[in-house]
Amino acid sequence: QLQIQESGPGLVKPSETLSLTCSVSGGSIRSSDYFWGWLRQPPGKGLEWVGSLFYDGRSYYNPSLKSRVTISIDATKQEVSLKMTSTVAADTALYYCARHWPVGYCNGGSCPRGRFDPWGPGVLVVVSS
Amino acid sequence: SYEVTQPLSVSVALGQTATITCEGYNIGSQNVHWYQHKPGQAPVVIIFRDHNRPSGIPERFSGSNLGNTATLTIHRAQLEDEADYYCQVWETSVVFGGGTKLTVL
Repeated sequence: QLQIQESGPGLVKPSETLSLTCSVSGGSIRSSDYFWGWLRQPPGKGLEWVGSLFYDGRSYYNPSLKSRVTISIDATKQEVSLKMTSTVAADTALYYCARHWPVGYCNGGSCPRGRFDPWGPGVLVVVSS
Repeated sequence: SYEVTQPLSVSVALGQTATITCEGYNIGSQNVHWYQHKPGQAPVVIIFRDHNRPSGIPERFSGSNLGNTATLTIHRAQLEDEADYYCQVWETSVVFGGGTKLTVL
C-alpha cells in the first residue's frame, strides 16, 4: 500500500525559500502511471493546488504560483521535493503531497486531469519572522 | 481562469439525503472529483471522474455531472459524514471549489 510522508522546516522567514520533501514508499515513484502533486491549505481556507510533476519531468503549476515554485523528483531516494521562493505570510499553510492520477492526454503526454489519491498527512509551514 | 462554486454550508438531518453542488461553466464536459476532509486528517477522494467510488467508500455517496452543475449526493447521512467537501476539476490547471461544510443535525 502506497504511503506518503511530507517533511520540512515548520518555520520559514519571509522572503526566504520554503523547501519540503515528500517521501514515498510502497510503490515506485518512477512509475509512468502517475503524477506527483503538492497542494496546500492556508489556515481557515480551502484547498489549493500548487503543482504536479510527471516522472519524465513534465510539470504543471498553479498559474498564480508558477513564478516561485519548482517541483522535482529524486527517484533514487523515492522523494518529491517542493521549493517555493520569495515566501510571504500568505504562504503559511498545511502542505500536502499526493499521488496525482492522469486522465487522457494533453500537451503531448498524459494529462493531470485526475484525482489526488492518496494524500500524505501534511506538514504545517509558518512563514514569519 | 476557470472557477467552480460550492455552497459554503449544507445541513442535513440524520438519515436524510444531502446534496452538495459544484457549479462551473460547462462543467459537465470535465472530469469532477470529490473529496471529504475532516479536521486533523488528510483529504480523501470519495468520488472520482464524476460518479466513480473508490473501494472502501460507502455506496451512500454518489455523484453526477451534467451541464453547468456537478452534484455530490449523500444518502442516509450519518454523523461521521460531517466534514468539509471539495470538488476538483482540470481546466488547463487544477481547480478546487471553495469547499462546503456539511453539518448533520
